[in-house]
Amino acid sequence: DAGVIQSPRHEVTEMGQEVTLRCKPISGHDYLFWYRQTMMRGLELLIYFNNNVPIDDSGMPEDRFSAKMPNASFSTLKIQPSEPRDSAVYFCASSLGARDNEQFFGPGTRLTVL
Amino acid sequence: QKEVEQNSGPLSVPEGAIASLNCTYSDRGSQSFFWYRQYSGKSPELIMFIYSNGDKEDGRFTAQLNKASQYVSLLIRDSQPSDSATYLCAVNTGFQKLVFGTGTRLLVSP
Repeated sequence: DAGVIQSPRHEVTEMGQEVTLRCKPISGHDYLFWYRQTMMRGLELLIYFNNNVPIDDSGMPEDRFSAKMPNASFSTLKIQPSEPRDSAVYFCASSLGARDNEQFFGPGTRLTVL
Repeated sequence: QKEVEQNSGPLSVPEGAIASLNCTYSDRGSQSFFWYRQYSGKSPELIMFIYSNGDKEDGRFTAQLNKASQYVSLLIRDSQPSDSATYLCAVNTGFQKLVFGTGTRLLVSP
């Protein structure tokens, strides 16, 4: 089975531009998570969904960030407008939501905002 | 105080030695604990999880949990150069939400 799929793998953009990151979770997984990883702050949870419904978005840094999950097989994370401090690796992960809660991570999107 | 704390390392051990990785957490209500391994430039992958006090063994890996001390550790026996990676401790704070430590970098020298 395919794992979590993310696109693009690399994104370089200029400050002020809109950025859209995409994720396809593992089929049958009920939970989808968006994380951001930087050297300084490590891996931070931004938002997560259960059955396509946002459950906790307390990690979303500010109004410039938004996430949607229109169906069980697709989610987007949008940054508008982007800023240099948004440069990071963004991971999407999915899980079945069982007690052991194994989250399967996608390969990540490396975002560079110039 | 950070919710999950780890020594950033690097922790250097020779091949064949035991590597001991430690993690402390602040939320006493946390119920389950996870160790992920992340190779440079790759995504995290789960090694082990534990939710009962004591030890849990899986091959060369042993996770140890002490809820009274709010302490989780990971022991890697017979360390191999291929074990060189960053090890992330994660704590389930409820409702499927994981909080990750910043990770400990392990270097195993041949």
